[in-house]
Amino acid sequence: DTAVSQTPKYLVTQMGNDKSIKCEQNLGHDTMYWYKQDSKKFLKIMFSYNNKELIINETVPNRFSPKSPDKAHLNLHINSLELGDSAVYFCASSQESGGAGLQQFFGPGTRLTVL
Amino acid sequence: QKEVEQNSGPLSVPEGAIASLNCTYSDRGSQSFFWYRQYSGKSPELIMFIYSNGDKEDGRFTAQLNKASQYVSLLIRDSQPSDSATYLCAVDSGGYQKVTFGIGTKLQVIP
Repeated sequence: DTAVSQTPKYLVTQMGNDKSIKCEQNLGHDTMYWYKQDSKKFLKIMFSYNNKELIINETVPNRFSPKSPDKAHLNLHINSLELGDSAVYFCASSQESGGAGLQQFFGPGTRLTVL
Repeated sequence: QKEVEQNSGPLSVPEGAIASLNCTYSDRGSQSFFWYRQYSGKSPELIMFIYSNGDKEDGRFTAQLNKASQYVSLLIRDSQPSDSATYLCAVDSGGYQKVTFGIGTKLQVIP
C-alpha cells in the first residue's frame, strides 16, 4: 500500500510547455504540501493545503497553480515552464498542522527536466 | 526569514564510530524538531522527532535538543555503511503550519 503517491515519476519537457503533477495520499491526513528540491538538494516548501483550503503560498511564481479537489488529492499545474523549474517536486502529507502532527510523509518525487 | 542551518558536509566516519550531526535554528518560537534521512534519489523519511529539552533515544539514534542555545543534534552510534545518506533537520515555524528544512548534512560511513 503506497501512502503518498505521485505521477508521473519523471517528466521531460520543452520550455514554454504546460504540465501537471498529481498526488494522492491514503493516510487520511488533513494537510498536504508541495516541496521543490533543487540541484543543491535544498528542500523548500511551495504550498500547503488543509482540508482543501490553501494555507501556505511561499512566494511561488503564479505560473504554479495548486489544486486540491478533496483532502486526499493535491495537484500541481505549471504553465510556461522555464529552465529554472527543473527540480524534483515532492508531495507530502501530515496528520495535523502543528506539533508532532507536522511529521511529513513524502511521496516518491517527480523529477522534472525542462529542456 | 526563519532559518535552519546545517553543515552540508560530507561528514565521513569509519564504520562502528559515532556520527554527530548538528543543526541550529533562528526562530525562538519553534517547538517541534524533526530529523529526516534521505538516500540518494529517494524521498525523505522521518527518523526522529523531539520537542523537549534533553535527549531522546531510539535504537542507535539519539536526538538532543537545547532550546536555550537553539541547537538540535543527532547522534548515530555504531555507524553502518547503510547509514550513508543525507540527514535533514526540520523545525516548525513557531505558530505557522509548516516546517522549514535545513540544507542537510551528507554522511558517509566508510567500511
